[in-house]
Amino acid sequence: GESVGLHLPTLSVQEGDNSIINCAYSNSASDYFIWYKQESGKGPQFIIDIRSNMDKRQGQRVTVLLNKTVKHLSLQIAATQPGDSAVYFCAENGDNQGGKLIFGQGTELSVKP
Amino acid sequence: KAGVTQTPRYLIKTRGQQVTLSCSPISGHRSVSWYQQTPGQGLQFLFEYFSETQRNKGNFPGRFSGRQFSNSRSEMNVSTLELGDSALYLCASSLASGRATEAFFGQGTRLTVV
Repeated sequence: GESVGLHLPTLSVQEGDNSIINCAYSNSASDYFIWYKQESGKGPQFIIDIRSNMDKRQGQRVTVLLNKTVKHLSLQIAATQPGDSAVYFCAENGDNQGGKLIFGQGTELSVKP
Repeated sequence: KAGVTQTPRYLIKTRGQQVTLSCSPISGHRSVSWYQQTPGQGLQFLFEYFSETQRNKGNFPGRFSGRQFSNSRSEMNVSTLELGDSALYLCASSLASGRATEAFFGQGTRLTVV
Protein backbone atom coordinates (compact mmCIF):
# COMPACT_ATOMS: atom_id res chain seq x y z
CA GLY A 1 0.00 0.00 0.00
CA GLU A 2 0.91 3.65 -0.05
CA SER A 3 3.13 5.11 2.61
CA VAL A 4 1.52 8.41 3.41
CA GLY A 5 3.81 9.50 6.18
CA LEU A 6 6.63 7.62 7.81
CA HIS A 7 6.85 10.04 10.73
CA LEU A 8 3.23 10.88 11.36
CA PRO A 9 1.81 11.38 14.83
CA THR A 10 -0.02 8.22 15.75
CA LEU A 11 -3.07 7.56 17.86
CA SER A 12 -3.87 4.06 19.02
CA VAL A 13 -7.30 3.32 20.47
CA GLN A 14 -9.33 0.31 21.46
CA GLU A 15 -12.32 -0.63 19.37
CA GLY A 16 -15.43 1.01 20.80
CA ASP A 17 -13.58 3.90 22.41
CA ASN A 18 -13.90 7.47 21.21
CA SER A 19 -11.03 9.03 19.24
CA ILE A 20 -9.98 12.65 19.15
CA ILE A 21 -7.64 13.83 16.43
CA ASN A 22 -6.26 17.34 16.66
CA CYS A 23 -5.02 19.80 14.09
CA ALA A 24 -3.51 23.26 14.29
CA TYR A 25 -4.12 25.30 11.16
CA SER A 26 -1.84 27.99 9.91
CA ASN A 27 -3.79 30.78 8.28
CA SER A 28 -6.04 32.99 10.37
CA ALA A 29 -7.77 34.06 7.14
CA SER A 30 -8.90 30.49 6.41
CA ASP A 31 -12.64 30.14 6.73
CA TYR A 32 -13.38 26.65 5.51
CA PHE A 33 -12.00 23.47 7.02
CA ILE A 34 -12.26 19.87 6.00
CA TRP A 35 -11.29 16.52 7.47
CA TYR A 36 -10.15 13.78 5.14
CA LYS A 37 -9.50 10.10 5.75
CA GLN A 38 -6.89 8.30 3.70
CA GLU A 39 -6.64 4.54 3.70
CA SER A 40 -3.63 2.72 2.37
CA GLY A 41 -3.59 2.72 -1.42
CA LYS A 42 -6.40 5.21 -1.75
CA GLY A 43 -6.86 8.92 -2.20
CA PRO A 44 -8.17 11.13 0.62
CA GLN A 45 -11.87 10.69 1.32
CA PHE A 46 -14.05 13.59 2.53
CA ILE A 47 -15.37 13.07 6.06
CA ILE A 48 -16.83 16.35 7.26
CA ASP A 49 -16.38 20.06 6.80
CA ILE A 50 -17.05 23.19 8.82
CA ARG A 51 -17.15 26.89 8.04
CA SER A 52 -15.67 29.54 10.27
CA ASN A 53 -19.08 30.88 11.31
CA MET A 54 -19.62 27.64 13.23
CA ASP A 55 -17.72 26.10 16.13
CA LYS A 56 -19.20 22.62 15.97
CA ARG A 57 -20.65 20.34 13.36
CA GLN A 58 -21.84 16.78 13.69
CA GLY A 59 -22.04 13.98 11.20
CA GLN A 60 -22.57 10.29 11.51
CA ARG A 61 -20.30 9.20 14.40
CA VAL A 62 -18.06 12.21 13.76
CA THR A 63 -17.96 15.69 15.22
CA VAL A 64 -15.68 18.52 14.19
CA LEU A 65 -14.86 21.32 16.61
CA LEU A 66 -13.34 24.61 15.54
CA ASN A 67 -11.60 27.06 17.85
CA LYS A 68 -10.65 30.10 15.81
CA THR A 69 -9.07 31.87 18.76
CA VAL A 70 -6.25 29.36 18.93
CA LYS A 71 -6.53 28.16 15.33
CA HIS A 72 -7.35 24.63 16.37
CA LEU A 73 -9.51 21.98 14.80
CA SER A 74 -10.44 18.58 16.16
CA LEU A 75 -12.19 15.51 14.84
CA GLN A 76 -14.01 13.27 17.26
CA ILE A 77 -14.94 9.78 16.19
CA ALA A 78 -17.45 7.99 18.39
CA ALA A 79 -17.32 4.24 18.98
CA THR A 80 -14.20 3.82 16.87
CA GLN A 81 -14.17 0.76 14.65
CA PRO A 82 -11.32 -1.16 12.98
CA GLY A 83 -12.49 0.28 9.66
CA ASP A 84 -11.65 3.74 10.97
CA SER A 85 -7.95 2.87 10.90
CA ALA A 86 -6.38 5.29 8.45
CA VAL A 87 -4.46 8.54 8.22
CA TYR A 88 -6.58 11.61 8.94
CA PHE A 89 -5.79 15.01 7.49
CA CYS A 90 -7.23 18.39 8.22
CA ALA A 91 -7.27 20.89 5.38
CA GLU A 92 -7.98 24.60 5.24
CA ASN A 93 -9.18 26.93 2.53
CA GLY A 94 -9.79 30.64 2.50
CA ASP A 95 -11.28 33.38 0.45
CA ASN A 96 -9.35 34.20 -2.73
CA GLN A 97 -7.65 30.82 -2.63
CA GLY A 98 -9.99 29.18 -5.09
CA GLY A 99 -9.89 25.44 -4.71
CA LYS A 100 -6.49 25.36 -3.05
CA LEU A 101 -6.42 23.23 0.08
CA ILE A 102 -3.61 23.48 2.61
CA PHE A 103 -3.22 20.17 4.37
CA GLY A 104 -1.94 19.40 7.83
CA GLN A 105 0.68 16.69 8.32
CA GLY A 106 -1.84 13.99 9.17
CA THR A 107 -2.42 11.65 12.10
CA GLU A 108 -2.35 7.90 11.81
CA LEU A 109 -5.21 6.28 13.69
CA SER A 110 -4.82 2.63 14.65
CA VAL A 111 -7.80 0.81 16.10
CA LYS A 112 -7.15 -2.35 18.09
CA PRO A 113 -9.91 -4.94 18.01
CA LYS B 1 -21.74 7.88 -10.61
CA ALA B 2 -18.10 7.30 -11.48
CA GLY B 3 -15.50 8.86 -9.22
CA VAL B 4 -12.32 10.68 -10.12
CA THR B 5 -10.19 8.51 -12.38
CA GLN B 6 -6.44 8.87 -12.58
CA THR B 7 -4.23 7.07 -15.05
CA PRO B 8 -1.88 5.38 -14.91
CA ARG B 9 -1.89 4.07 -11.34
CA TYR B 10 1.82 3.34 -11.29
CA LEU B 11 4.69 4.69 -13.32
CA ILE B 12 8.44 4.25 -13.29
CA LYS B 13 10.59 6.79 -15.09
CA THR B 14 14.26 7.59 -15.38
CA ARG B 15 15.85 10.86 -14.31
CA GLY B 16 15.72 13.43 -17.06
CA GLN B 17 12.64 11.99 -18.71
CA GLN B 18 9.27 13.67 -18.79
CA VAL B 19 5.92 12.27 -17.74
CA THR B 20 2.24 13.05 -18.30
CA LEU B 21 -0.45 12.09 -15.83
CA SER B 22 -4.15 12.13 -16.56
CA CYS B 23 -7.21 12.91 -14.48
CA SER B 24 -10.87 12.52 -15.40
CA PRO B 25 -13.09 14.39 -12.93
CA ILE B 26 -16.51 13.42 -11.77
CA SER B 27 -19.11 14.14 -14.44
CA GLY B 28 -20.29 17.72 -14.12
CA HIS B 29 -17.31 18.86 -12.08
CA ARG B 30 -15.42 21.70 -13.68
CA SER B 31 -12.62 22.30 -11.20
CA VAL B 32 -9.60 20.03 -11.07
CA SER B 33 -6.73 20.41 -8.63
CA TRP B 34 -3.47 18.50 -8.42
CA TYR B 35 -1.51 17.62 -5.31
CA GLN B 36 1.82 15.96 -4.64
CA GLN B 37 2.04 13.65 -1.64
CA THR B 38 5.36 12.56 -0.16
CA PRO B 39 6.27 11.18 3.27
CA GLY B 40 8.48 14.17 4.00
CA GLN B 41 6.31 17.04 2.76
CA GLY B 42 2.83 15.60 3.05
CA LEU B 43 0.14 16.82 0.67
CA GLN B 44 1.14 19.90 -1.29
CA PHE B 45 -0.96 21.84 -3.76
CA LEU B 46 0.37 21.98 -7.30
CA PHE B 47 -2.28 23.85 -9.29
CA GLU B 48 -5.98 24.22 -9.98
CA TYR B 49 -7.81 24.42 -13.28
CA PHE B 50 -11.29 25.64 -13.96
CA SER B 51 -12.86 25.99 -17.40
CA GLU B 52 -9.51 25.29 -19.05
CA THR B 53 -7.80 28.12 -17.14
CA GLN B 54 -5.23 27.81 -14.40
CA ARG B 55 -6.77 29.50 -11.38
CA ASN B 56 -4.16 28.87 -8.75
CA LYS B 57 -0.60 27.65 -8.56
CA GLY B 58 1.49 26.25 -5.74
CA ASN B 59 5.19 26.68 -5.09
CA PHE B 60 6.60 24.21 -7.52
CA PRO B 61 9.21 24.80 -10.24
CA GLY B 62 8.24 25.43 -13.82
CA ARG B 63 9.00 21.80 -14.66
CA PHE B 64 5.53 21.08 -13.33
CA SER B 65 2.77 22.14 -15.65
CA GLY B 66 -0.78 21.22 -16.41
CA ARG B 67 -3.73 21.85 -18.59
CA GLN B 68 -7.43 21.22 -18.75
CA PHE B 69 -9.50 20.29 -21.73
CA SER B 70 -12.99 21.40 -22.70
CA ASN B 71 -14.45 18.21 -21.23
CA SER B 72 -12.79 19.11 -17.88
CA ARG B 73 -10.28 16.29 -18.10
CA SER B 74 -6.88 17.43 -16.94
CA GLU B 75 -3.30 16.43 -17.46
CA MET B 76 -0.18 17.34 -15.58
CA ASN B 77 3.30 17.13 -16.99
CA VAL B 78 6.62 16.97 -15.26
CA SER B 79 9.68 17.55 -17.39
CA THR B 80 13.32 16.73 -16.66
CA LEU B 81 12.39 14.38 -13.86
CA GLU B 82 14.43 14.36 -10.67
CA LEU B 83 14.63 11.67 -8.01
CA GLY B 84 12.80 13.98 -5.63
CA ASP B 85 9.77 13.99 -7.92
CA SER B 86 8.97 10.47 -6.78
CA ALA B 87 5.60 10.82 -5.10
CA LEU B 88 1.93 10.04 -5.17
CA TYR B 89 0.20 12.56 -7.43
CA LEU B 90 -3.42 13.14 -6.55
CA CYS B 91 -6.12 14.80 -8.52
CA ALA B 92 -9.24 16.27 -6.94
CA SER B 93 -12.39 17.49 -8.63
CA SER B 94 -15.14 19.75 -7.39
CA LEU B 95 -18.19 21.37 -8.87
CA ALA B 96 -16.76 24.83 -9.09
CA SER B 97 -13.76 26.92 -8.23
CA GLY B 98 -13.85 29.65 -5.62
CA ARG B 99 -14.55 27.21 -2.84
CA ALA B 100 -13.07 23.79 -2.24
CA THR B 101 -16.47 22.40 -1.39
CA GLU B 102 -16.33 18.67 -1.16
CA ALA B 103 -13.31 18.07 -3.32
CA PHE B 104 -13.27 14.42 -4.34
CA PHE B 105 -9.92 12.75 -4.80
CA GLY B 106 -8.81 10.04 -7.15
CA GLN B 107 -6.63 7.15 -6.07
CA GLY B 108 -3.55 8.83 -7.39
CA THR B 109 -0.67 7.99 -9.66
CA ARG B 110 2.40 6.61 -7.94
CA LEU B 111 5.44 7.97 -9.79
CA THR B 112 8.85 6.49 -9.10
CA VAL B 113 11.89 8.18 -10.61
CA VAL B 114 15.02 6.04 -10.79
